[in-house]
Amino acid sequence: NAGVTQTPKFRILKIGQSMTLQCAQDMNHNYMYWYRQDPGMGLKLIYYSVGAGITDKGEVPNGYNVSRSTTEDFPLRLELAAPSQTSVYFCASSYSWGRRASYNSPLHFGNGTRLTVT
Amino acid sequence: EDQVTQSPEALRLQEGESSSLNCSYTVSGLRGLFWYRQDPGKGPEFLFTLYSAGEEKEKERLKATLTKKESFLHITAPKPEDSATYLCAVQVGESGYALNFGKGTSLLVTP
Repeated sequence: NAGVTQTPKFRILKIGQSMTLQCAQDMNHNYMYWYRQDPGMGLKLIYYSVGAGITDKGEVPNGYNVSRSTTEDFPLRLELAAPSQTSVYFCASSYSWGRRASYNSPLHFGNGTRLTVT
Repeated sequence: EDQVTQSPEALRLQEGESSSLNCSYTVSGLRGLFWYRQDPGKGPEFLFTLYSAGEEKEKERLKATLTKKESFLHITAPKPEDSATYLCAVQVGESGYALNFGKGTSLLVTP
């Protein structure tokens, strides 16, 4: 099983450029997430989706956009890249079958995209 | 504000030297506490979920415990392959998205 696949693995952007980070999962998970991880900091939630066509903001959404047209894919769009967006970006997915916490599977993460904005 | 604090930031052990990592949390309405392992250049890999105080889970040399204020990850007789960063996260909402992560503990086990 591929699990969660992220592309590209590495990217260097100039200030003001745009790009899309790709994320695909093959586990039929209904929930998908984007996190960023900065050195010495915990993972911060950018956006999440509870199903196709439904997205919502996390803790640090400014400068990013997402869409979810299919269950499998959850791309993250960076518009007008800034040095503050230099980070490692992780996509994750999980399955939820009810409102109780124990009805959620653990998050499965991809191996990340390392982005540098100069 | 909900907070997750992990200590120590870094830990160096000799092979076979047992120790514990700490995760303390100040959240309202804890729904679950998660431990993940992260190797350099990789995404976090799930280890354990704990839901209520007193709960314990084990996997090979790792044992996770939970109280009302903190969780411990006990490592018994560690091996060099246990070297990694260990992340703690708490789930505070009813849905799967609300995970607050700590900054992690970087563990190095030397032969």
